[in-house]
Amino acid sequence: DTEVTQTPKHLVMGMTNKKSLKCEQHMGHRAMYWYKQKAKKPPELMFVYSYEKLSINESVPSRFSPECPNSSLLNLHLHALQPEDSALYLCASSRQTGLAGKETQYFGPGTRLLVL
Amino acid sequence: QKEVEQNSGPLSVPEGAIASLNCTYSDRGSQSFFWYRQYSGKSPELIMFIYSNGDKEDGRFTAQLNKASQYVSLLIRDSQPSDSATYLCAVRGGNNRLAFGKGNQVVVIP
Repeated sequence: DTEVTQTPKHLVMGMTNKKSLKCEQHMGHRAMYWYKQKAKKPPELMFVYSYEKLSINESVPSRFSPECPNSSLLNLHLHALQPEDSALYLCASSRQTGLAGKETQYFGPGTRLLVL
Repeated sequence: QKEVEQNSGPLSVPEGAIASLNCTYSDRGSQSFFWYRQYSGKSPELIMFIYSNGDKEDGRFTAQLNKASQYVSLLIRDSQPSDSATYLCAVRGGNNRLAFGKGNQVVVIP
């Protein structure tokens, strides 16, 4: 089973709203990722969690706040977003073997976000 | 120089033909290479990974890796209309970073 689930599938929010995206995996993976993807562009890495600790923040604006409550869950809290933040938000997970691993990242179906 | 480069432009192939996609990468120390397929509006789906020089076959897909020349390719044999999608080449770097190419759109013409 290589399933990563994400909720909601679609989200429309205003610039003053607060919302959260959720991601879950039950594969025992210890690395989880948030990506942002705009139309006709490749995914852009936002955050990486390794063993529930934030290991990479790709200089993402503070209006995006990640959280990893446990090894199976990853949240992305959204506040005061801009219309240009409208995109497909993808969660991914992989095993975490440390040095020079060959882990494969498996993607969830994504949340299509529209900021009005 | 970009980390991962894929030749640009959509690739149109007749049904039943071979589609060939190429990808070059800049980090000579890269060890893990992936091909993802992405249908319009959907998330990337892993179709192949390769770690060692040479060929790796899985059904109608063959990945080829040449670390000396720093390229990885994907062949799709007996192309089907369902293969019409964007194919993303990805190379794993340090700290769990996955560097993606811009993607190649493949259109299989019935």
